[in-house]
Amino acid sequence: EDQVTQSPEALRLQEGESSSLNCSYTVSGLRGLFWYRQDPGKGPEFLFTLYSAGEEKEKERLKATLTKKESFLHITAPKPEDSATYLCAVQARGGGTSYGKLTFGQGTILTVHP
Amino acid sequence: DTAVSQTPKYLVTQMGNDKSIKCEQNLGHDTMYWYKQDSKKFLKIMFSYNNKELIINETVPNRFSPKSPDKAHLNLHINSLELGDSAVYFCASSQFVTGNQPQHFGDGTRLSIL
Repeated sequence: EDQVTQSPEALRLQEGESSSLNCSYTVSGLRGLFWYRQDPGKGPEFLFTLYSAGEEKEKERLKATLTKKESFLHITAPKPEDSATYLCAVQARGGGTSYGKLTFGQGTILTVHP
Repeated sequence: DTAVSQTPKYLVTQMGNDKSIKCEQNLGHDTMYWYKQDSKKFLKIMFSYNNKELIINETVPNRFSPKSPDKAHLNLHINSLELGDSAVYFCASSQFVTGNQPQHFGDGTRLSIL
C-alpha cells in the first residue's frame, strides 16, 4: 500500500528564516509526486509535480526536489503570506481502479512570523 | 471564475437524514474526484469518474453514492447520515490522458452531523 509521511507536523519560522519540509514516501512505482498548499477553509492549491529522482522545480520562494525515497520543499526567505498547510501526495503507476489515485500525507503546518 | 465549485459550502444536518453535495468544474477536464478530509486533516480519495464512468471506488460505505450526469459535474449523495460522516468533502478534477496531471480542488463542503 502506498504511504506518505510528512515532517515536521508543524514548523514555525521567523520571516526570512529559510527551512525545508520533508515528504517520505513508499509507492509501487512512482508516476508523480505532487505538492499542494492549503489555506484555512480552502481547498488544496496545486504547486508542483515531480516525476523522477533528481528533478527540481521552483516557484518564487519555493523549490521542490525529489529522490527515490523522499521529496523536500525548500522555502527561502519566507514571508508571513507563505503561512499555510503544505501537502504532499503520490500517484502510483498502474491502471485499473487505482488510476489517478492520489495518496496524501498529513501535511506540515507552516507559520511564518513577521 | 471559479474552476471547481461545490455547493453547499456548509451543511449541518441530523443523523439519519439524506443529503447531497454538488460539484461542477469549468476547466474542461474529463475526470472528477471526491475526497474526504477528516479531523486530522488527512485527505483520502473516495471516488473518481472519467467521462461519466466510475474508475476509483475506495472502501466507502454504500450509503455514499456518486453520480455524474456529464463530465463537468459530479454529485455525492449520502443516505442515512452518521456522526462519523462529519468531515470536509472536497471535489477535484483533472485531465485523464497521462494519469499524472495535477488535480484541481474546490473549496470543500463542511458537513456537520448533529
